[in-house]
Amino acid sequence: EVQLLESGGDFIEPGGSVRLSCAASGFTFSRYGMSWVRQAPGKGLEWVSTISGGGGSTHYADSVRGRFTISRDNSKNTLYLQVNTLRVEDTAVYYCAKEGALTTSLPDAFDIWGQGTMVTVSS
Amino acid sequence: EIVMTQSPATLSVSPGERATLSCRASQSVSSNLAWYQQKPGQAPRLLMYAASSRAPGIPARFSGSGSGTEFSLTISSLQSEDFAVYYCHQYDNWPPAFGGGTKVEIK
Repeated sequence: EVQLLESGGDFIEPGGSVRLSCAASGFTFSRYGMSWVRQAPGKGLEWVSTISGGGGSTHYADSVRGRFTISRDNSKNTLYLQVNTLRVEDTAVYYCAKEGALTTSLPDAFDIWGQGTMVTVSS
Repeated sequence: EIVMTQSPATLSVSPGERATLSCRASQSVSSNLAWYQQKPGQAPRLLMYAASSRAPGIPARFSGSGSGTEFSLTISSLQSEDFAVYYCHQYDNWPPAFGGGTKVEIK
């Protein structure tokens, strides 16, 4: 069964940092681009970042560029999001999502989603 | 940057009725459009990709159409499990973008 399991969400003060993880199973992890999508409480979905299958290509939303870093360890089938200089507006459920097609230079639909991990930024 | 606009924000429909949801892109996204369903407390689920292709396991009562800038998702006969929020998503180019969502509620 294809599965994504996020962890690492926490209650963080503004300016703090946290690393989110997403453990993948049931598919050849290194062949697919992976993304982070977030959802603020009561709001819609916001794409955050994407990394190619090999890890050599990354993309970020303007709202997080320079503060967030996406990475992956294909030997551990795990995706990461290092989140620095947190702001109150970063409060959200963070989902990891698998792209549907074999890794390319263009974005793709998300065919598998994790259950999400909550990051709360507050003083 | 492409902006995705969904309408209506809320759609009130009776079980068994047909529902049509709209999604408009601020510039052409070809057919690189997906639809997701999200129920309270759950992660989104892929319904449609490439504008009109159903994802595995999605019932035939769901259909998608459109290309360029205008898209629609139709649920032919609403079942109780279909009441949820639906999002469109363009993946034609960077950055990918979601619409604001349409909530389908029981009338």
